[in-house]
Amino acid sequence: DIVMTQSPLSLPVTPGEPASISCTSSQSLLYSDGYNYFHWYLQKPGQSPQLLIYLGSNRASGVPDRFSGSGSGTDFTLKISRVEAEDVGVYYCMQDLQLPLTFGGGTKVEIK
Amino acid sequence: EVQLVESGGGLVQPGGSLKLSCAVSGLRFSDSAIQWVRQTAGKGLEWVGRIKTKPRNYATIYAASVKGRFTISRDDSENTAYLQMNSLRTEDTAMYYCCRRIDTPGSPVDYWGQGTLVTVSS
Repeated sequence: DIVMTQSPLSLPVTPGEPASISCTSSQSLLYSDGYNYFHWYLQKPGQSPQLLIYLGSNRASGVPDRFSGSGSGTDFTLKISRVEAEDVGVYYCMQDLQLPLTFGGGTKVEIK
Repeated sequence: EVQLVESGGGLVQPGGSLKLSCAVSGLRFSDSAIQWVRQTAGKGLEWVGRIKTKPRNYATIYAASVKGRFTISRDDSENTAYLQMNSLRTEDTAMYYCCRRIDTPGSPVDYWGQGTLVTVSS
């Protein structure tokens, strides 16, 4: 199975400041079609996960442009340019290059 | 509005069975591959299995931890997917989510249900 490792585990942030989360996979997620089969999700308190970024760098519909995804192969980053209070929750990375789908352990973002 | 609504969770004894449902609306269910994912505080998010669409012969595949005990099915006429869980163990205790992806390469899991809680305990 592909192992997804996120850091940090917890991220206290100040509103208006930037934030960054990393995710590393145990195998390259770059497929022969040129896409990284890698996605970011946010699980807000009391809710189910919601798609933020797909295929490494594409914002899902309705996602604010303060969120951006980058990286390729085994190393990926999610950046929030200016954190807002509504961004709190647990962020997960996920790969779907091969089954089983696997998730990172999550990064809890909270307001300082 | 897209909705995936799980139901059927509850308390069951070890060795028992439970059948979860996932009712989908607001999108083309017949184009959707349905995944089941569970979440626990200890193990985080764990993929359980998935069922593909009719053009892909409703192919199913399962995580090793549930293979032989869980079965995923779907009824396209009812826009509903199911997760039949047999021989339940205490370690199957979790919040169970259904989620979907368009059944084409590169499409991410884009919609999730709100989850249904399964507790396996004597």
